[in-house]
Amino acid sequence: QSMLTQPPSVSAAPGQKVTISCSGNLSNIGRNYVSWYQHVPGTAPKLLIYDNNRRPSGIPDRFSGSKSGTSATLGITGLQTGDEADYYCLTGDSSLSAAIFGGGTKLTVL
Amino acid sequence: EVQLVQSGPEVKKPGESLTISCKASGYSFSTYWIGWVRQMPGQGLELMGIIYPGDSDIRYSPSFQGQVTISADQSITSAYLQWTSLQASDTAIYYCVRRRDGYNYFDHWGQGALVTVSS
Repeated sequence: QSMLTQPPSVSAAPGQKVTISCSGNLSNIGRNYVSWYQHVPGTAPKLLIYDNNRRPSGIPDRFSGSKSGTSATLGITGLQTGDEADYYCLTGDSSLSAAIFGGGTKLTVL
Repeated sequence: EVQLVQSGPEVKKPGESLTISCKASGYSFSTYWIGWVRQMPGQGLELMGIIYPGDSDIRYSPSFQGQVTISADQSITSAYLQWTSLQASDTAIYYCVRRRDGYNYFDHWGQGALVTVSS
């Protein structure tokens, strides 16, 4: 069981917006930057968001990130069927001296 | 273009040893961390450990300390993940990842290597 809690699944219709939460504590999200990854099974995961809210080049602005206290959120607007994937948050944990992933959230675009 | 190209799938028996590799290109190998991420069947992603090839500084995640060995060879810009005695529970996909020094995100991923351990 991960120290970062994500909902196991979320779903929404094409064109709609969805948010995915990542809840931690003061030793991880509370004091470290958060990044987000999209993983389509059978392919390599892809970096979507880093440093809480920054997008790498090539990532559309439909994807956004935010952080408040010990929680972080990934937002996706204008959902497309191609967005169906597993999404993971990642941050450092000072008590473990290691980076940790959230448990992952499966996004279904209905 | 940054590329991380991993070795191919492996099928091994319990108790056997194994080393898988990750060949990096397109950037200064010695100035970025290389990590290994495990995904067991039906499970999420787990960081196993990371290495800084420039000085061979290695950081293992607590759950993987003593279970695997991470190494790198600057001369051929490659990183390695090694087991001395595989168990069925090591069956997983393993990804190598690149991390910029001083930052805590993985900006490039290898294609993954499936390791199957079965008698």
